[in-house]
Amino acid sequence: DAKTTQPPSMDCAEGRAANLPCNHSTISGNEYVYWYRQIHSQGPQYIIHGLKNNETNEMASLIITEDRKSSTLILPHATLRDTAVYYCIVRRQGAQKLVFGQGTRLTINP
Amino acid sequence: DAGVIQSPRHEVTEMGQEVTLRCKPISGHDYLFWYRQTMMRGLELLIYFNNNVPIDDSGMPEDRFSAKMPNASFSTLKIQPSEPRDSAVYFCASSFVTAYNEQFFGPGTRLTVL
Repeated sequence: DAKTTQPPSMDCAEGRAANLPCNHSTISGNEYVYWYRQIHSQGPQYIIHGLKNNETNEMASLIITEDRKSSTLILPHATLRDTAVYYCIVRRQGAQKLVFGQGTRLTINP
Repeated sequence: DAGVIQSPRHEVTEMGQEVTLRCKPISGHDYLFWYRQTMMRGLELLIYFNNNVPIDDSGMPEDRFSAKMPNASFSTLKIQPSEPRDSAVYFCASSFVTAYNEQFFGPGTRLTVL
């Protein structure tokens, strides 16, 4: 699976949009981009995934660049409860394993 | 559904003792995963099962670690003998085959080996 690169930490003001970048320049055509997050002392939680089109669900939006070499997770109106470590993972279609990197520690400030 | 259930939530033991961690996956899920999380190494996959059969145990650190899944609703991760470097949070996760194979994680077991 392709390697991902994320900034180690980010801050965002409560109520503003949080934009978390991820670089996956070696991604292959059959690899999806997944985002999970881990709130302190809890297990990771699935957020969203995508292949090449932008995706949106009740939690977030995922914007994937046309060349698929990078993506951005958007939390449209961040709350204090969104403070967590966010993991960007690239995974081949049909594969079961998740390989977690170090992620981005997002802190939402009041 | 109650989600993935793990027990115990906290375990403190002494070096050399046997430790058994337990996991009950979400009903109907056919994949079960064991992960370990430490500050130094982050979140690592140890082993995963499909329909109770171990598929990939390449992440199991050494022979002191073993995992079993005797039926679809129960799995154990055993460490014998335990060592201080085994101190970590151990997560169990389960999933069923869909287009995107979302994994659902349990709350974890925090293991401290003195």
